[in-house]
Parts: sequence; C-alpha cells; structure tokens
Amino acid sequence: GENVEQHPSTLSVQEGDSAVIKCTYSDSASNYFPWYKQELGKRPQLIIDIRSNVGEKKDQRIAVTLNKTAKHFSLHITETQPEDSAVYFCAASMSGGSYIPTFGRGTSLIVHP
Amino acid sequence: GAVVSQHPSWVICKSGTSVKIECRSLDFQATTMFWYRQFPKQSLMLMATSNEGSKATYEQGVEKDKFLINHASLTLSTLTVTSAHPEDSSFYICSATRQGLTSNQPQHFGDGTRLSIL
Repeated sequence: GENVEQHPSTLSVQEGDSAVIKCTYSDSASNYFPWYKQELGKRPQLIIDIRSNVGEKKDQRIAVTLNKTAKHFSLHITETQPEDSAVYFCAASMSGGSYIPTFGRGTSLIVHP
Repeated sequence: GAVVSQHPSWVICKSGTSVKIECRSLDFQATTMFWYRQFPKQSLMLMATSNEGSKATYEQGVEKDKFLINHASLTLSTLTVTSAHPEDSSFYICSATRQGLTSNQPQHFGDGTRLSIL
C-alpha cells in the first residue's frame, strides 16, 4: 500500500518567515495530494490540494509543489502569522477503487509573534 | 457547501457502556465515509471505510465487533463503540467525500467526538 512520510514533525518560525513542510509518497499511481490544517481540538480542514497533472499551485500565502519523478510534494507558507500555528497533514491517494487517502504523521507549526 | 456534522462532540461515560457517534453530510450525498481515531499529537489513524448499503471495510487491527459501523443512507454513517473501556478513550473523527465524481475529491471532516471512558 501507499506510505507517506512527512517532515519535519515540529517546525518553529518567527512571524513573517516562510515555512516549508515536505512529504514523500511511495506509490507512483497516487495522483491527488491534499493538505489539511488542524487547529487544536478542531476538525482538519483542506487548505490546498494538487493533482498530478500540475507541478505547482498557489493560493495567496500558501503554495504546494509536486515532483512526480521524485515522488515528493511540499507545502510552502510565506509571511507566516501566529494564526497559521496548527498541525498540518499531507495526504496522497489515487483515482479509482474506494479512494482511501494515506495521511502523513503531521507537522506541528508554531509561529512566534 | 460540503458540511459534515458529527454528534456528539463530547461523551463521558462509565466502562461497559456502548456509545453511538453519528456522522451526517448535510448538503451533499456521500457514498463513502471514513472513520478515524486520533491520539494526542498524532496523525489520523483510519479505522474503517463505510460504504452506503454494504458492510464497512475495517483496517487491520481494528475489531469490527468492537466498533460497529452502519451506513444506512447516503447522508448518515454511525460508529458504535460497544462495551467501551478506558483504552477506547480517544478523539474519533469522521469524514465524507462527495458521491458521483470520477476524480479524487478532498475529504470533509466532522468536528470530532472526544470519548472519555471512566
């Protein structure tokens, strides 16, 4: 089955700095890669996603890049703010079948004011 | 759109009690719903995949007689933790994906249920 590795497990930055979270996946058939943000005690919420037919996607301060050859994808947050502090999860899945995503272990992002 | 409602949000009960958790998709139909368990500061652990009108598919190591899943309609799935014990205490989250779309779609999560067994 699919295996998703996520690094780092904890990331501490100063407000205004950039933050990068990286994930690798093992199954080359995976073609959908969402990122979720989970604040303490709350539900995970989709913040951005990318499909295998594109290499990069951007939404304001958030961007995701995908390297299919190397089987890795990354989340980039620029101009970080304290409200960006949360746990971020990457995931990978493939079309067809029952669509069961595999999640990374999560990255706890702390933005210091 | 794409709202998933999960109830209850918090349950405290005695050991041996059975607890039912509901997951509803409010504004879309969900052929498939997922049930996760999350321990503090850890990732989402998939417990089972719930398919409308058929038996749930359980992940390895998850006892199907312990965690009963029913997906009776396209908008409702339930998870019943039978004869709960303190080790079942955890945060349980459901999610749903839209029906009828051919490409992968994001999951929409419920608010989660914090279960505490005394």
